[in-house]
Amino acid sequence: QIQLVQSGPELKKPGESVKISCKASGYTFTDYAMHWVKQAPGKGLKWMGWINTYTGKPTYADDFKGRFVFSLEASASTANLQISNLKNEDTATYFCARYNSGYYFDYWGQGVMVTVSS
Amino acid sequence: IQVTQSPTSLSASLGETVTIQCRASEDIYSGLAWYQQKPGKSPQLLIYGASSLQDGVPSRFSGSGSGTQYSLKISSMQTEDEGVYFCQQGLKYPLTFGSGTKLEIK
Repeated sequence: QIQLVQSGPELKKPGESVKISCKASGYTFTDYAMHWVKQAPGKGLKWMGWINTYTGKPTYADDFKGRFVFSLEASASTANLQISNLKNEDTATYFCARYNSGYYFDYWGQGVMVTVSS
Repeated sequence: IQVTQSPTSLSASLGETVTIQCRASEDIYSGLAWYQQKPGKSPQLLIYGASSLQDGVPSRFSGSGSGTQYSLKISSMQTEDEGVYFCQQGLKYPLTFGSGTKLEIK
């Protein structure tokens, strides 16, 4: 069955970096784009951008340009999100989600809670 | 494209019909999906293409609409339907979500 399994929770200090992984299984990884979505505590969903899993090209939403990097380990069917120079407002759950060509997310990872606190 | 979702919250009795609305700032040509999220879990796809039911989703869920106006209907509220519901437009980047509707049992 199709699964997106993300790495575990992270506790970081301001200014540090974090790398989150999203391992896909049950389908051909390069057939579907992978997107990232942020959910701050008690808040709604915010689209961060996506990575073309065939070419490796990332595209970032305006609010996520600069400190955020999407990458792949295609041989391992894994997408990664790296956030540098962490700020308190980066405290959130980060989801990876498979994007269906019909313009919707059909599978989601379980989410990774990133807490930034001094 | 902005997506305005209403209401922010509502409570419904068991068996009651529930309707949640989303309005897009421009025509999104049925490029709308609905998700349900339960506490501590990831969102789950309910409806895509405005009205297509995702495999495995109970038939009491239905979606409708066109142009800029869309709705999600739960025909007979069940306990397990409690959660937060989000709509999402997929026509144009940046992809955008509605602000969510918290649905509770009355």
